[in-house]
Amino acid sequence: QKEVEQNSGPLSVPEGAIASLNCTYSDRVSQSFFWYRQYSGKSPELIMSIYSNGDKEDGRFTAQLNKASQYVSLLIRDSQPSDSATYLCAVSPYNAGNMLTFGGGTRLMVKP
Amino acid sequence: DGGITQSPKYLFRKEGQNVTLSCEQNLNHDAMYWYRQDPGQGLRLIYYSQIVNDFQKGDIAEGYSVSREKKESFPLTVTSAQKNPTAFYLCASIGRNQPQHFGDGTRLSIL
Repeated sequence: QKEVEQNSGPLSVPEGAIASLNCTYSDRVSQSFFWYRQYSGKSPELIMSIYSNGDKEDGRFTAQLNKASQYVSLLIRDSQPSDSATYLCAVSPYNAGNMLTFGGGTRLMVKP
Repeated sequence: DGGITQSPKYLFRKEGQNVTLSCEQNLNHDAMYWYRQDPGQGLRLIYYSQIVNDFQKGDIAEGYSVSREKKESFPLTVTSAQKNPTAFYLCASIGRNQPQHFGDGTRLSIL
């Protein structure tokens, strides 16, 4: 049984701080990793994808992958109230977005 | 504009009734997926299709059925056998070597 685990939160951070969201996965053959943001009542929106060990930066977002530890994280710098949402981690055994297994999501609250 | 269109946005089901959720994409994607999301939880895979006229069961297929007669369309039927259908249903599609993108979802409730 493939599992993707996230702390459900809520994770509360003050505006301007760094938010750190974590995800662990059980399937060692996982090849690609995704972070989706989901606002309440809306569908998930892809914000980051990462395929190799190390860091990948895109604006205020940094994804970090450690395949040996089966761990992927998302850092959000200079957190804004508009970042308040649920963040879903998703993992695929393929080198693309097929056959995703999703974690339960972490709810982030950024307080002004 | 290219995208994934789900309809209706809200749907109500009566006892013993089958209902069909629509998912259409004009992205020329081969693969399409249906997920169910319950409050405060992640997405669970119901059915997926990698190519026209072929589809596979996901983790929670019982009580659901699908068809894939056209590349653009992947409708999901929630049958009366699904005893707890209240959820947010999401359709996704994926192109070659691309991440999945989602439609806006259909929220299904029981009358």
